[in-house]
Amino acid sequence: GENVEQHPSTLSVQEGDSAVIKCTYSDSASNYFPWYKQELGKRPQLIIDIRSNVGEKKDQRIAVTLNKTAKHFSLHITETQPEDSAVYFCAAASGGYQKVTFGTGTKLQVIP
Amino acid sequence: GAVVSQHPSWVICKSGTSVKIECRSLDFQATTMFWYRQFPKQSLMLMATSNEGSKATYEQGVEKDKFLINHASLTLSTLTVTSAHPEDSSFYICSASDTSTGYGYTFGSGTRLTVV
Repeated sequence: GENVEQHPSTLSVQEGDSAVIKCTYSDSASNYFPWYKQELGKRPQLIIDIRSNVGEKKDQRIAVTLNKTAKHFSLHITETQPEDSAVYFCAAASGGYQKVTFGTGTKLQVIP
Repeated sequence: GAVVSQHPSWVICKSGTSVKIECRSLDFQATTMFWYRQFPKQSLMLMATSNEGSKATYEQGVEKDKFLINHASLTLSTLTVTSAHPEDSSFYICSASDTSTGYGYTFGSGTRLTVV
């Protein structure tokens, strides 16, 4: 089955700096890669996703890059703000209805 | 956008009792729903895949007789934790994918189960 590794497990940045979270996956059949933000005690919220036919996607301060050959994808948050502090999960899935395998999570702390 | 409703949001039960958790897709049909379990400060671990009109597919190590899943319609899946024990205390969360779009898994709000 799919195995998703995520680094780092914790990340502290100063407000205004950039944050980068990296993930690798093992199943070459995976073709959908969502990123979720989860605040304490709440449900994960989809913040951005990318499909395997695209190398990069950007939405305001958030961007995701995908390298299918190397089987890794990354989340980039620029101009970080305190409200960006949360746990971020990467995930990989194959097909629209297939199960999503999550990474281990990254706790991001943005220091004002 | 797609909305998934999950109830109850929290429940406290005594050891040995059963608890049912409901997951509903409010504005779309979901042939497949997924049930996850999340321990504090850990990632979401898939427990089972719920298929409308057929048996659920359980992940390795998940007891199907303990975690009963029923997906009776295209908008409702239920997870019943039978004979609950303190070690079953966890955050249970469902997700569903809009079959019309195929992507974009939406999560329910989660259920905090505490077994005393």
